[in-house]
Amino acid sequence: DQQVKQNSPSLSVQEGRISILNCDYTNSMFDYFLWYKKYPAEGPTFLISISSIKDKNEDGRFTVFLNKSAKHLSLHIVPSQPGDSAVYFCAAGGAGSYQLTFGKGTKLSVIP
Amino acid sequence: DTEVTQTPKHLVMGMTNKKSLKCEQHMGHRAMYWYKQKAKKPPELMFVYSYEKLSINESVPSRFSPECPNSSLLNLHLHALQPEDSALYLCASSQDPTSGTIRYEQYFGPGTRLTVT
Repeated sequence: DQQVKQNSPSLSVQEGRISILNCDYTNSMFDYFLWYKKYPAEGPTFLISISSIKDKNEDGRFTVFLNKSAKHLSLHIVPSQPGDSAVYFCAAGGAGSYQLTFGKGTKLSVIP
Repeated sequence: DTEVTQTPKHLVMGMTNKKSLKCEQHMGHRAMYWYKQKAKKPPELMFVYSYEKLSINESVPSRFSPECPNSSLLNLHLHALQPEDSALYLCASSQDPTSGTIRYEQYFGPGTRLTVT
């Protein structure tokens, strides 16, 4: 049973526009959520995180929104740049747990 | 500095070889992790070390043997691997999530691309 779901395997966006990547989770015990960016044959790079006590966290062009009642989070990238083209993984963790549960990833392509 | 380093970057080994993967971090993190990642899949957790002690072993075959010599170093010893073990092996580190910290994002190294022939 997938506890973290990224239902869009891929997304194409024009350069300069907004990219919105979505993630849904089922486990109410998750209290910390992260987004990672991954280029082929490289390790995931941590982008941004959000604690369950917040509903928004912003870092430069990246904003993560958390809707706890819907068990949904999203990553907004504005403006999108060609260098943002990568696979984005959503991950979730629970207090006191070493485990991160990852989604299957969404491949973002930013078209110049 | 949020850097985790891994060596080697690439490794090709036969099924009878013994080799080791190395990982190092200098962020003062007390939790270190080994993951395996196959193409187009998310990372799969293999082992977790907390304060240099093995905390989690996700039913990994004994041909993979982890070691944590000190708080900055993590090794993965490989012996008698199978071709299906070919994958990207990732090391990560974080603050200890059991310590009450509210931020425990894991920082990943670049990985070792392992091919077993």
